Amino acid sequence: ETGVTQSPTHLIKTRGQQVTLRCSSQSGHNTVSWYQQALGQGPQFIFQYYREEENGRGNFPPRFSGLQFPNYSSELNVNALELDDSALYLCASSPTLNTEAFFGQGTRLTVV
Amino acid sequence: SQKIEQNSEALNIQEGKTATLTCNYTNYSPAYLQWYRQDPGRGPVFLLLIRENEKEKRKERLKVTFDTTLKQSLFHITASQPADSATYLCALDLYNQGGKLIFGQGTELSVKP
Repeated sequence: ETGVTQSPTHLIKTRGQQVTLRCSSQSGHNTVSWYQQALGQGPQFIFQYYREEENGRGNFPPRFSGLQFPNYSSELNVNALELDDSALYLCASSPTLNTEAFFGQGTRLTVV
Repeated sequence: SQKIEQNSEALNIQEGKTATLTCNYTNYSPAYLQWYRQDPGRGPVFLLLIRENEKEKRKERLKVTFDTTLKQSLFHITASQPADSATYLCALDLYNQGGKLIFGQGTELSVKP
């Protein structure tokens, strides 16, 4: 167990809707990153938060947004869902920058 | 263009043999390279991290090498077991990128009894 939990584990949404995915990091982990993993591919970096501030963003449109809270929880919000947003969304926390990442089990999002 | 590539074909080996997985990259200058294991439907699990000034790192049956001249990392599992069957991901951790990891597509390893 990595101590990182994500909810929900599975989700089905309709194209055009909005979704919020949640992550609870290990206590003391100041860094949280979100990744999108399509089937058969490696995870793709969406963005990272360090001490509640965005600390880097991958090649994802602005309709992907996030928040990190003081209690080591975080959210990934996706607006105007598209079919291609169907993927496994992974949250990873680290005690600091440039160290190993502890991943949650992921949220499987299906957009229909 | 920047690329990170792992063995595209699945690797099938016999129990007890050594599995060797390859990770090649171009046009990146990683500070660190990390290896993860991922089982179906689960999140990746950290295995090893190697720094750019380290040539080799070991942990139990696992060994990682890192050649910044060849821009390649090799990941070895010795005395492989069926329980080692999984997808293995390499990830680059770049300078001044705050820990953003750039993953390869993964190599699926199957160890037969």
